[in-house]
Amino acid sequence: GQQLNQSPQSMFIQEGEDVSMNCTSSSIFNTWLWYKQDPGEGPVLLIALYKAGELTSNGRLTAQFGTTRKDSFLNISASIPSDVGIYFCAGSDQGGSEKLVFGKGTKLTVNP
Amino acid sequence: DADVTQTPRNRITKTGKRIMLECSQTKGHDRMYWYRQDPGLGLRLIYYSFDVKDINKGEISDGYSVSRQAQAKFSLSLESAIPNQTALYFCATSEVTGHEQYFGPGTRLTVT
Repeated sequence: GQQLNQSPQSMFIQEGEDVSMNCTSSSIFNTWLWYKQDPGEGPVLLIALYKAGELTSNGRLTAQFGTTRKDSFLNISASIPSDVGIYFCAGSDQGGSEKLVFGKGTKLTVNP
Repeated sequence: DADVTQTPRNRITKTGKRIMLECSQTKGHDRMYWYRQDPGLGLRLIYYSFDVKDINKGEISDGYSVSRQAQAKFSLSLESAIPNQTALYFCATSEVTGHEQYFGPGTRLTVT
């Protein structure tokens, strides 16, 4: 089945630093979603992207739908300790099945 | 109150036992999903339902069954639990025309 390659797998940063992570697919996607999961909780939707080239912000988070429609990027500016968690990308392809394919996640650790 | 709720939140059971995980939602969404999460493997789709009369297998449906009792309720059953079904289980919902999925808090299942 389809797979998403999400990188990096983990990041260790200092509070205040900016963070970048990305996801790539082997096929064209119509939708890119970014989620955050805290320990012991379900994934929470951060940003949804529906158009190639779209750039959307949610507070200190900014995500972009790549122009090739095969990738997406998430940036976090001025990280704070509560940004700790696992960030997942997810995408939906052109087939219209509305099933999502998930990346394996980027685990973010923020040192105060 | 949470829009998507799951019961129980934690469950320990023995090999061979039948167990049911329940999901309820107040979002009014038609589409509901069951996922399994294992460390390093991300989220994998078990079953999904587009409405009360429509049930579909996901990528890892063997050993599982589901019941869509109403628009708001979607249950996952393990007919005869085995240790490799130890995992986090998440229910999710989405609107008819959208791709965004909203997750419940999860059930941590341990099969001994």
